[in-house]
Amino acid sequence: AQSVTQPDIHITVSEGASLELRCNYSYGATPYLFWYVQSPGQGLQLLLKYFSGDTLVQGIKGFEAEFKRSQSSFNLRKPSVHWSDAAEYFCAVGGGYQKVTFGTGTKLQVIP
Amino acid sequence: DTEVTQTPKHLVMGMTNKKSLKCEQHMGHRAMYWYKQKAKKPPELMFVYSYEKLSINESVPSRFSPECPNSSLLNLHLHALQPEDSALYLCASSQSGDLREQYFGPGTRLTVT
Repeated sequence: AQSVTQPDIHITVSEGASLELRCNYSYGATPYLFWYVQSPGQGLQLLLKYFSGDTLVQGIKGFEAEFKRSQSSFNLRKPSVHWSDAAEYFCAVGGGYQKVTFGTGTKLQVIP
Repeated sequence: DTEVTQTPKHLVMGMTNKKSLKCEQHMGHRAMYWYKQKAKKPPELMFVYSYEKLSINESVPSRFSPECPNSSLLNLHLHALQPEDSALYLCASSQSGDLREQYFGPGTRLTVT
């Protein structure tokens, strides 16, 4: 069965500082990997995705993520955080037909 | 147009009521999904429709009844719900058979009294 672990429930960073959100997955084959962002009471927006090829993936809003097969990780990074980045971030893995499994999420707080 | 719309935004219903949630997309996607999300939890898959046929039912109680009238529309009929069914209900769509990305709607906030 596929699963995702996001070890950090809550992260606080200062505006302008760099950010890294951790994600570890479990899946028997090459997975599809995603990062989604959710503002309070809103739907999910796809930030980026990895299917194959270059292991460093660029997304929207200045985010990037790196797929490391040896570590079963897909960490999300941003070099300089903006106050508007405060939200909940979900890592997800897809491998079974049409089924995506989400991690428990990391809540990002940005302080001035 | 990369938008998935959901109506209503908010819904309050009693345990004996019957109501429906509606989802619509015009991206030509052939797979549509219902998720349930409780506060501070990740979305949980409920149903998947592929080419207007139900392909996945994640053992959802029968008080939730999905319907896909056509490739652009997805409904979720609600009947005899329990207070613990209060949650944010999210609809999503994707190109059928392709997990490349799911587009999510803004959700319907459901409160069962």
